[in-house]
Amino acid sequence: DAKTTQPNSMESNEEEPVHLPCNHSTISGTDYIHWYRQLPSQGPEYVIHGLTSNVNNRMASLAIAEDRKSSTLILHRATLRDAAVYYCILREPSNTGKLIFGQGTTLQVKP
Amino acid sequence: DAGVIQSPRHEVTEMGQEVTLRCKPISGHDYLFWYRQTMMRGLELLIYFNNNVPIDDSGMPEDRFSAKMPNASFSTLKIQPSEPRDSAVYFCASSLYPVLDTGELFFGEGSRLTVL
Repeated sequence: DAKTTQPNSMESNEEEPVHLPCNHSTISGTDYIHWYRQLPSQGPEYVIHGLTSNVNNRMASLAIAEDRKSSTLILHRATLRDAAVYYCILREPSNTGKLIFGQGTTLQVKP
Repeated sequence: DAGVIQSPRHEVTEMGQEVTLRCKPISGHDYLFWYRQTMMRGLELLIYFNNNVPIDDSGMPEDRFSAKMPNASFSTLKIQPSEPRDSAVYFCASSLYPVLDTGELFFGEGSRLTVL
């Protein structure tokens, strides 16, 4: 699986937008970009995924650079409950099963 | 649906003892995954099953670890004999389709294992 690079930690204020970056310069043309998050003392949970176009769902938005070498997870209004470790993961389409997690970004949300 | 159910939530055992962790996937899901999480190594995929058949066990650390899925609603991860370095949180996850298609793995709350 191609490698991703994320900042170790980020801080945000409550009610403000948060942009979580992910670099994946070795991404192949068919790799999907997945985001998961892990709240304290819980298992990871799915946030969003995409291939080329920007994606929106009820939890977040995913902005993918035109060259696909980077992406940004956007939380539009951070809440205290959004404090978690956020993982950016690349998936090869031929790899039908596995998700390989990196170290992720620990997001702190301040009231 | 109750989600992925794991048991026990916490287990404390002594070195050399056998440990069995259990997982009930979401009904109808045909992919099941076992992950291990430690501070040093993060989340590691140990093994995954499709339709009860092990597909990739390359992440299983050594022969002391074994996993089975006797039916679609139950899986076990066994460590025999256990060692202190096996102390970790073990997660089970399931999905309905290959992750590629839906993008979504559903994780249980984990089993925290402490080997003294």
